[in-house]
Amino acid sequence: EAGVAQSPRYKIIEKRQSVAFWCNPISGHATLYWYQQILGQGPKLLIQFQNNGVVDDSQLPKDRFSAERLKGVDSTLKIQPAKLEDSAVYLCASSLDRWGIGELFFGEGSRLTVL
Amino acid sequence: DAKTTQPTSMDCAEGRAANLPCNHSTISGNEYVYWYRQIHSQGPQYIIHGLKNNETNEMASLIITEDRKSSTLILPHATLRDTAVYYCIVRVVMNYGGSQGNLIFGKGTKLSVKP
Repeated sequence: EAGVAQSPRYKIIEKRQSVAFWCNPISGHATLYWYQQILGQGPKLLIQFQNNGVVDDSQLPKDRFSAERLKGVDSTLKIQPAKLEDSAVYLCASSLDRWGIGELFFGEGSRLTVL
Repeated sequence: DAKTTQPTSMDCAEGRAANLPCNHSTISGNEYVYWYRQIHSQGPQYIIHGLKNNETNEMASLIITEDRKSSTLILPHATLRDTAVYYCIVRVVMNYGGSQGNLIFGKGTKLSVKP
């Protein structure tokens, strides 16, 4: 079974530039998550999708971050404009079930460096 | 915020059992205990979860105290590949469509398995 695919693996940009990350979850997984992991910390949830609807985006900095999951399959996370503190690994995860019971499967992440 | 407390780091000799403790004194009746681990430069990986009974799978055993205020993850024969950060997480389940099915990560325990 193919895992969660993310791209790009690495991205370096200057502050105030924009960047987009792509995630393709495991086939058939209803729930998709984006997490931000700053160096030395555990991952922090940014947004959760249930199919193509947003369940929780309470910790998403909406003035600069946006995410979408068109057609309920793959997803894109965008940052515009980027700040220095956005340097982190952005992890995408998916789970099969709708009720928050099943395990989450994580991708390898996209590492962002903002200069 | 994370509802668990874990030691920052632990060492273990290769081939010996690794016992990773976790305190979750404010755990609620509808919260499970989950364990994930994160090997360097990879996304977190599910290990095991439980409610109140001890659980065992091919990776590890989970021992939960009778009052459910603490638990221990046991890797019976640690190998060098088990070197990782281990996260203990309490997670509400059966919350239909809600965000509380998310994983809230703390800083975890950095386990170093030494030859």
